[in-house]
Amino acid sequence: GAGVSQSPSNKVTEKGKDVELRCDPISGHTALYWYRQSLGQGLEFLIYFQGNSAPDKSGLPSDRFSAERTGGSVSTLTIQRTQQEDSAVYLCASRQSGQGAGSPLHFGNGTRLTVT
Amino acid sequence: GIQVEQSPPDLILQEGANSTLRCNFSDSVNNLQWFHQNPWGQLINLFYIPSGTKQNGRLSATTVATERYSLLYISSSQTTDSGVYFCAVNYNQGGKLIFGQGTELSVKP
Repeated sequence: GAGVSQSPSNKVTEKGKDVELRCDPISGHTALYWYRQSLGQGLEFLIYFQGNSAPDKSGLPSDRFSAERTGGSVSTLTIQRTQQEDSAVYLCASRQSGQGAGSPLHFGNGTRLTVT
Repeated sequence: GIQVEQSPPDLILQEGANSTLRCNFSDSVNNLQWFHQNPWGQLINLFYIPSGTKQNGRLSATTVATERYSLLYISSSQTTDSGVYFCAVNYNQGGKLIFGQGTELSVKP
């Protein structure tokens, strides 16, 4: 595809509900990342997928957060029992790999999550 | 883990002025990127520059890996340059990209 695609672009949910955020990476990109950006803040790493390797989940803030990547392409970030502090923009990024870490990262436009 | 520090945190320029943004990192890195986040929140790649110097129009970047810093130069700034500039690094051959806190640039007409 032309770029990283994320859906929905905006999501408003009630506290306690579960949400799923979707990311379609650039075709052929084997590495996929999720980041979170709270208002006026920097980017907080959440999780990283690389091919068939076990994902690096070291940034997930709690066990309410999980992510999967099916078929090495599309990824879903799930937040269970949402809390107001989960409100943020969730950004997905992808890059080519098989080249070590030496390839640029490309971001989607993000999903703005608001928990009321 | 690695620390990534950007300076200055904020910068206000008059249109046409030049500026230098700095990114310091606390460990050896194998990847460094500069991004521009525009006022609509889109993150745009500027440079992939683990070492050396690159130029793209009015922007250029230099990374001195041995001294653990990178510089982003903006010349003849325009109002469309406004936004937040982030640097991000990989280290230890890992894939995780760690971001600095950004420099917020505002270019006034």
